[in-house]
Amino acid sequence: DIQMTQSPSSMSASLGDRVTITCQASQDIGNNLIWFQQKPGKSPRPMIYYATNLANGVPSRFSGSRSGSDYSLTISSLESEDMADYHCLQYKQYPYTFGAGTKLELK
Amino acid sequence: QIQLVQSGPELKKPGESVKISCKASGYTFTDYAMHWVKQAPGKGLKWMGWINTYTGKPTYADDFKGRFVFSLEASASTANLQISNLKNEDTATYFCARGGHYPDYWGQGVMVTVSS
Repeated sequence: DIQMTQSPSSMSASLGDRVTITCQASQDIGNNLIWFQQKPGKSPRPMIYYATNLANGVPSRFSGSRSGSDYSLTISSLESEDMADYHCLQYKQYPYTFGAGTKLELK
Repeated sequence: QIQLVQSGPELKKPGESVKISCKASGYTFTDYAMHWVKQAPGKGLKWMGWINTYTGKPTYADDFKGRFVFSLEASASTANLQISNLKNEDTATYFCARGGHYPDYWGQGVMVTVSS
């Protein structure tokens, strides 16, 4: 199975900060990675798909990138509505595997 | 608009069974797979598997082989998840999610609580 190592597990940041969350894949997944945002009591919302593509309705301050086996989600200027959990998911091969998640909190 | 509407919360005792439904609307049900995802309280997401809504063939992740069954009522555009012989560790929210290239539209989740 492909392991997705997500970091950090939690972080606190201030409004306006640039924030980056990373998932490292244990095997090649091409760009078959999606980032989800999840708020308490809600279902996951796709933010970035195929590693770098912005999902419908997602603000442009969100972006995705890849460097080798490392995939990153960046928020260029943090807003209060961005406080949430973030999860990566590889969909290159079955079983699909999620990262452990990142809790993003306001400093 | 595309919607996945799941059934309501469940409270069960260990050893009992539960069946959760996921009714799809706004698209052709058999054109997309349906994935199932587990989230234990305060934990991350875990992919359980998927069902081919055209053929009905299920595929289970290793941790979900045996007591878990994915099924369809295709005429009703509904996917079901049945869990038998419930254990305390099955306490979680279970999500269905439509699968194109990736799980894109999600149900609201069903909280299953297993407690004696």
